[in-house]
Amino acid sequence: GNSVTQMEGPVTLSEEAFLTINCTYTATGYPSLFWYVQYPGEGLQLLLKATKADDKGSNKGFEATYRKETTSFHLEKGSVQVSDSAVYFCALSDRNTGNQFYFGTGTSLTVIP
Amino acid sequence: NAGVTQTPKFRILKIGQSMTLQCAQDMNHNYMYWYRQDPGMGLKLIYYSVGAGITDKGEVPNGYNVSRSTTEDFPLRLELAAPSQTSVYFCASTAVRGTEAFFGQGTRLTVV
Repeated sequence: GNSVTQMEGPVTLSEEAFLTINCTYTATGYPSLFWYVQYPGEGLQLLLKATKADDKGSNKGFEATYRKETTSFHLEKGSVQVSDSAVYFCALSDRNTGNQFYFGTGTSLTVIP
Repeated sequence: NAGVTQTPKFRILKIGQSMTLQCAQDMNHNYMYWYRQDPGMGLKLIYYSVGAGITDKGEVPNGYNVSRSTTEDFPLRLELAAPSQTSVYFCASTAVRGTEAFFGQGTRLTVV
């Protein structure tokens, strides 16, 4: 079946530090992969996505590369800001094998000045 | 552009009461979803719909019901509220299976 395993949090970083949040997946087909961000008191917003192997999604300085050989989609940012403090969710959706999204448990990030 | 709109934003229910969480989208999406988010547990799928008149159970459907009479609306019904249903509920929609989902702002429900 399909599933997503995400790095446990919480993560606390100083401003301008490098961020990596690990995400690995299990899928029976060829899924699309997503990172969503949830700011306090808000719903989830799409941060970036990749639809096939070796694709790199990027947005707001965040990047993630779809690695089929390691079944991973790790989120990275070179220099985090206080405004990046949020909960980050890795997710997959496979149009060929199901109708739903599969989410990781979320990783809480706090960036301190 | 409104996207996905959920009402209410907050609600307190007494045990045994009923309520309907409203969800509407204006993007003409066929696929709609209801999730609940418990602290540290990620999102769990309650029900989903692939189009008007079609609904199906997700991972945690017990205690909930849904209907989809129009493309735009996907209400979630709690018939006999229990403390275990205290959670944050999110509605989402997608245009095509496998593409990105758009989320509402959430409904924070407390059952006391």
